[in-house]
This record gives sequence, structure tokens and C-alpha cells, in this order.
Amino acid sequence: GNSVTQMEGPVTLSEEAFLTINCTYTATGYPSLFWYVQYPGEGLQLLLKATKADDKGSNKGFEATYRKETTSFHLEKGSVQVSDSAVYFCALSGGTSGTYKYIFGTGTRLKVLA
Amino acid sequence: DARVTQTPRDKVTEMGQEVTMRCQPILGHNTVFWYRQTMMQGLELLAYFRNRAPLDDSGMPKDRFSAEMPDATLATLKIQPSEPRDSAVYFCASGLVGGDTQYFGPGTRLTVL
Repeated sequence: GNSVTQMEGPVTLSEEAFLTINCTYTATGYPSLFWYVQYPGEGLQLLLKATKADDKGSNKGFEATYRKETTSFHLEKGSVQVSDSAVYFCALSGGTSGTYKYIFGTGTRLKVLA
Repeated sequence: DARVTQTPRDKVTEMGQEVTMRCQPILGHNTVFWYRQTMMQGLELLAYFRNRAPLDDSGMPKDRFSAEMPDATLATLKIQPSEPRDSAVYFCASGLVGGDTQYFGPGTRLTVL
């Protein structure tokens, strides 16, 4: 079945450091890929998405490229801020899971130090 | 700024009690999802509604959990009787049929003693 694997956290960085959070997936068909962010005490918010191979999703300085050849959707940001401290979830929908059903990764906690 | 709302935000109850959680989806959205989040299991889909009809509740323990949409503006998740292992954060999300984005509420943190 479909699955999403994320790098384990926590990830601790200094402010202005470069961020990469790895995400790989297993799916048949052509899933859409997402990154959601969860700030403390809140629900998940869509950060960015990509719906087909080679698409790049971007938002708030974060980027991720849908790589079908490596089945990856790694999240990157060139210069993190303390306010980026949160838990980041990679997810997919579609393929054989059906268009409505999300498969989430386990989440990666990011802590940014001033 | 349209948002999904959930009540209550926090609930502490004793084992055996009935718990009802409520969700108001974004106006105009016609899909509703219930998720449970725990440290051990992560995010689990409990139920999915499309146009108020339950289409998938395979993730929900049938003996004690029930989910309904009495109308388009209200979704409920009930647990009866509650057990300590039900302690978790329960999220509601809404979206549009044919859309691929889900919009999450702030969650209800349930503690069953």
C-alpha cells in the first residue's frame, strides 16, 4: 500500500541555518504530495503542495520538488527563523489511496534557536 | 478568513463517560474528516463524510465510536463509553469534493482518566 517516510526528529538548528527535511514515498499511480505544518497547540496548516512530477511547491520561503525518479519530496528553506519552530508533516493523497485519503508521515519536529 | 472550528478545545473526563466533540466545517465545504493524533500512532483517519454521507469509517472503533453530520454545518464524533486509551487530540478537517487540500481545525484534546 501507499506510505510516507520522513526523517526522524527533532531537528535543531540555529537561526538563519539551511533546513532540509527528507520525505520519501511509496505509491502506485500519481499521487499529490503535501507538506503540512503544525504549530504548538494548533491544527495542521497546508504549507505547500505539488500535484505532478517535477512540480515545485513553495510558500513562506519553503520549497519542495516532486521527484518521481527518487520518489521524494524533500522540504527545504534557505534561512530558518525561530518562528519556523513547529512539527512538519509530509503527506500524499491519490494514487491507489483514493483522492480524498491522506497518508501522513510521522512528523518531524523542528526547533530553531536564536 | 474562513476556518474550521472545533469544540470543546479541551475535555477531561472519567472512564465510562460519554464524550461528544463538535466540528463546524468551512462554509461551502462538502467533505469532512475526523482524525486522531497520538504520539504512538501519529495521525489516523477515523471517518470521512462527503455531502454529509459517511463514506469511510474503517479507521473508527465501531463498538464505542460514532460519527454523524446532522446538517452541513455540524459534524459530531461521540465516544461511549470512553476509555483511557482514547486520550488523544481529535482533529476535524474539511474540504471540497474533487479538491486535494484539507483544512484542519485546532483540535480537541481529550483526556480520559
